[in-house]
Amino acid sequence: AQSVTQLDSQVPVFEEAPVELRCNYSSSVSVYLFWYVQYPNQGLQLLLKYLSGSTLVKGINGFEAEFNKSQTSFHLRKPSVHISDTAEYFCAVIRMDSSYKLIFGSGTRLLVRP
Amino acid sequence: KAGVTQTPRYLIKTRGQQVTLSCSPISGHRSVSWYQQTPGQGLQFLFEYFSETQRNKGNFPGRFSGRQFSNSRSEMNVSTLELGDSALYLCASSYEPGDQGEKLFFGSGTQLSVL
Repeated sequence: AQSVTQLDSQVPVFEEAPVELRCNYSSSVSVYLFWYVQYPNQGLQLLLKYLSGSTLVKGINGFEAEFNKSQTSFHLRKPSVHISDTAEYFCAVIRMDSSYKLIFGSGTRLLVRP
Repeated sequence: KAGVTQTPRYLIKTRGQQVTLSCSPISGHRSVSWYQQTPGQGLQFLFEYFSETQRNKGNFPGRFSGRQFSNSRSEMNVSTLELGDSALYLCASSYEPGDQGEKLFFGSGTQLSVL
């Protein structure tokens, strides 16, 4: 079975502070990994993805994530957050087999305070 | 070009009723997927359609159904609504089935409340 676990349902942080949103996955086959962001009253927008190659992936809006195969993690980080980063963040995986559909985590709400 | 359009934006129904949600994909996209988003559960895959055929289905009861028309527009239907069906229903479109990442575009969703 495959699952995606986002350990924190909500992460409050002050503006300009660093943040890390955690994501762990379990899969018996190789996976592709994604982070999506959902701003209030909007659909999902792709932040970044890991398919292969360098384990440190840089995305939009200053976010980056590191794929750690041994720990089966894909944590999202930003060195300095803005108020506008307040949103819901979803980690997702795709199994590299015939199913090939996105499996999402339960989401982490990032709340940036002034 | 216009993005993925979902209508209506909000919907309130009572238990036992049925509901139909609509999704118009980006022009030229032929694949449409549906997801249910609930607090604490995240997004769960409902089904995927391509060329008017269901290609993939998630683990939802038969009360959840969908279809796709020749113009790639898709509808999903939920019959005999239950309180637990209250959720944000998201539609995503792409050119080909299985397109992911930057090739997959999401709509803003339909917020369904079942009273």
